[in-house]
Amino acid sequence: QSALTQPASVSGSPGQSITISCTGTSSDVGGYNFVSWYQQHPGKAPKLMIYEVSNRPSGVSNRFSGSKSGNTASLTISGLQAEDEADYYCNSYTGSSTWVFGGGTKLTVL
Amino acid sequence: QVQLVQSGAEVKKPGASVKVSCKASGYTFTGYYIHWVRQAPGQGLEWMGWINPNSGGTNYAQKFHGRVTMTRDTSISTAYMELSSLRSDDTAVYYCTRGSGAFDPWGQGTLVTVSS
Repeated sequence: QSALTQPASVSGSPGQSITISCTGTSSDVGGYNFVSWYQQHPGKAPKLMIYEVSNRPSGVSNRFSGSKSGNTASLTISGLQAEDEADYYCNSYTGSSTWVFGGGTKLTVL
Repeated sequence: QVQLVQSGAEVKKPGASVKVSCKASGYTFTGYYIHWVRQAPGQGLEWMGWINPNSGGTNYAQKFHGRVTMTRDTSISTAYMELSSLRSDDTAVYYCTRGSGAFDPWGQGTLVTVSS
């Protein structure tokens, strides 16, 4: 199973919005609504930010939102803040009880 | 609160095996799958497989078939991941995480270093 495709890096200024894409195939992202997003700060464990494409867990800021179109899922962060600077990973169910992560995107807040 | 606490860092020689534990608290251990994910230094997340603590059933990523074994002890709400025939490229932080359509929460991670 190949990793999902994410841009290696994105950047934005405080207050701006950015979008991170996650491209798979009809066998993973396009075939199931089990797409989730994780934030990881250096030296820390990942944290769930979005589940089932567009749902936010309790406690996650409403500045984070998710969507999906065809084989591509997206994470949008609005009103960028310095604390949002981190690595972001998407994940998708792939069928046959297996899962796959994206390669990760480094977000820099300028 | 729901929490997963992993065992401490390990240093192993090539060819050896390592067994990492993951103790769950704050919820019914048998009610949720436990997944294992690893992250090599400076690299991304890699899904390794899951165990169903209720039945003991497992499913592993093809890459790890034959080298990984996931088990559990329901009496102490603990899951284990054993990786054998270790190589230098198995050096990574290994995480356990509770799965139910998404992964939450995560353990703190266990650094496994493979070096001669």
